[in-house]
Amino acid sequence: GDSVTQMEGPVTLSEEAFLTINCTYTATGYPSLFWYVQYPGEGLQLLLKATKADDKGSNKGFEATYRKETTSFHLEKGSVQVSDSAVYFCALSTGTSYDKVIFGPGTSLSVIP
Amino acid sequence: DSGVTQTPKHLITATGQRVTLRCSPRSGDLSVYWYQQSLDQGLQFLIQYYNGEERAKGNILERFSAQQFPDLHSELNLSSLELGDSALYFCASSVGGSRSSYNEQFFGPGTRLTVL
Repeated sequence: GDSVTQMEGPVTLSEEAFLTINCTYTATGYPSLFWYVQYPGEGLQLLLKATKADDKGSNKGFEATYRKETTSFHLEKGSVQVSDSAVYFCALSTGTSYDKVIFGPGTSLSVIP
Repeated sequence: DSGVTQTPKHLITATGQRVTLRCSPRSGDLSVYWYQQSLDQGLQFLIQYYNGEERAKGNILERFSAQQFPDLHSELNLSSLELGDSALYFCASSVGGSRSSYNEQFFGPGTRLTVL
């Protein structure tokens, strides 16, 4: 079945460091891909999305490119801030049921000053 | 603030009991989704309702049921509770309705259920 794999955390970085969180997926058809973020004590928020191959989603300095050939959607940010400390979830939805979203296990990020 | 509200925020109960979690979607949203988040299973999709009707089903146990009312609020009923049901339960809402494009889901703050 459809699934999402992402790098295990926790990830700890110093402020202004470069961030990469790897995400790969398995899906039938052509999924839409997402990154969600969960700040402490809150629900998930959509961070960015890409709906077709080679699309780049971006928001708040974060970017991810839909790579069909490697079935990947890695999240990157050039310079992280303390306020980026959160759990990041890679997710997909497929043509079989666009409303149903399958989430990866989440990667916890801590940014220290 | 996503506009999705969930009550209660915390719930502590005993094994074998039954509880009801409540969700009010954002104004104008017709779809409601329920998710369970636990340490060992991660974030699992349980069920979706659209305008009062069940739309999609995920890994929802038979002991769990949900419904969406005419005013579009939704309730998730959990019965014969077990220790393993302890988790965060999230509700999300979206405009919903389209099977050809993704409708962004807006998540509530969650209900933390502890089964003792």
